[in-house]
Amino acid sequence: EVQLVESGGGLVQPGRSLKLSCAASGFTFSNYYMAWVRQAPKKGLEWVATISTSGSRTYYPDSVKGRFTISRDNAKSSLYLQMNSLKSEDTATYYCARPMLPGYNYVPFAYWGQGTLVTVSS
Amino acid sequence: DIQMTQSPASLSASLGETVTIECRASEDIYSNLAWYQQKPGNSPQLLIYDANSLADGVPSRFSGSGSGTQYSLKINSLQSEDVASYFCQQYNNYPFTFGSGTKLEIK
Repeated sequence: EVQLVESGGGLVQPGRSLKLSCAASGFTFSNYYMAWVRQAPKKGLEWVATISTSGSRTYYPDSVKGRFTISRDNAKSSLYLQMNSLKSEDTATYYCARPMLPGYNYVPFAYWGQGTLVTVSS
Repeated sequence: DIQMTQSPASLSASLGETVTIECRASEDIYSNLAWYQQKPGNSPQLLIYDANSLADGVPSRFSGSGSGTQYSLKINSLQSEDVASYFCQQYNNYPFTFGSGTKLEIK
């Protein structure tokens, strides 16, 4: 059974940093691109980052480019999101998401974790 | 960036009814369109991919259609467990973008 378990969320002041983790199991982690998607309270979904299977390629929207860094450790089946210079508008539940097919990134997200809440506030 | 315009924002229907949710892309996304269901307090779940393919385990009362810039999700014989928010998403181009969501309630 595919499982994605996020951790690392919490309350953080504006301008500070936070690192999220996602522990994956139930599939061959190294075969899949992986992504982070966030959802502000009572709002819609926003794709945040994607990383290739080897970690050599990363993709970000303009809203987080230069502030967030996605990374992975295939030996530990773990995904990370380093968030720097946090803003109030980064307040959201952050989901780890796995695409539907191995080796592809232009596919939908078939599996989602339960999410971890990040609150940016002074 | 591709903008996804989803309608309606909310919908109230009776049990057994058929409902339709629309999604319009700002440019052609070549059927690279998914629909997700998010029940209150839960993570999103994939319902439909490639505009009209049913994801594993999804009841056949859900169906998707469309092409180019216009897409729709239809739910036949509405059931109480269908109360949720529904989101469309394009995965044709980065940045991947989502519709703003449709909240479905039972009358």
